Amino acid sequence: DTAVSQTPKYLVTQMGNDKSIKCEQNLGHDTMYWYKQDSKKFLKIMFSYNNKELIINETVPNRFSPKSPDKAHLNLHINSLELGDSAVYFCASSKGTSGYSYEQYFGPGTRLTVT
Amino acid sequence: AQTVTQSQPEMSVQEAETVTLSCTYDTSESDYYLFWYKQPPSRQMILVIRQEAYKQQNATENRFSVNFQKAAKSFSLKISDSQLGDAAMYFCAYRSVSSGTYKYIFGTGTRLKVLA
Repeated sequence: DTAVSQTPKYLVTQMGNDKSIKCEQNLGHDTMYWYKQDSKKFLKIMFSYNNKELIINETVPNRFSPKSPDKAHLNLHINSLELGDSAVYFCASSKGTSGYSYEQYFGPGTRLTVT
Repeated sequence: AQTVTQSQPEMSVQEAETVTLSCTYDTSESDYYLFWYKQPPSRQMILVIRQEAYKQQNATENRFSVNFQKAAKSFSLKISDSQLGDAAMYFCAYRSVSSGTYKYIFGTGTRLKVLA
């Protein structure tokens, strides 16, 4: 009964390719996130959706496009992959509504390697 | 804008000893949540402990406890009776509770080594 799942866990691809990472949560949360963790372990927020609506869109290249088909899913599509895109990408979810403790739950991460 | 600072890039502790990881933050808000997350080599981010700002009592979860000093904007994590499995990156995080705010602010992390 995995709370937040991501597929794939590992992704190795060549520069210029297009790839997608999928995320699903079964916690009933209404807010989902994508983070990028670089080699120095710094966590940078990329996007967030609340009830399928984009609410956070940090300074991220246009090659990155999130899609939320429903509240339980948030996918990340990356076009024209570059070497600098190599990182671990985390999906996370939380309750965005007041009255809750706002705990954020993370998926296992996807290690993307661009060669 | 809120910021979170973890000034210790790396810490070491002897097994069974106690270690404290520091975290300071900057905010003008009066109500918010603070979290400590653990990231072991498996890379899974695990919630260790949370603290709501308006609760003065320090949160405790088994061997993990916090020292929350709201006026000083400090939120340190104490790990008692350290175990080898505690070796990990530890991240401090801040989350506003203001309406319409959904962003979590993370610190840069502290790598904890546990020595046998």
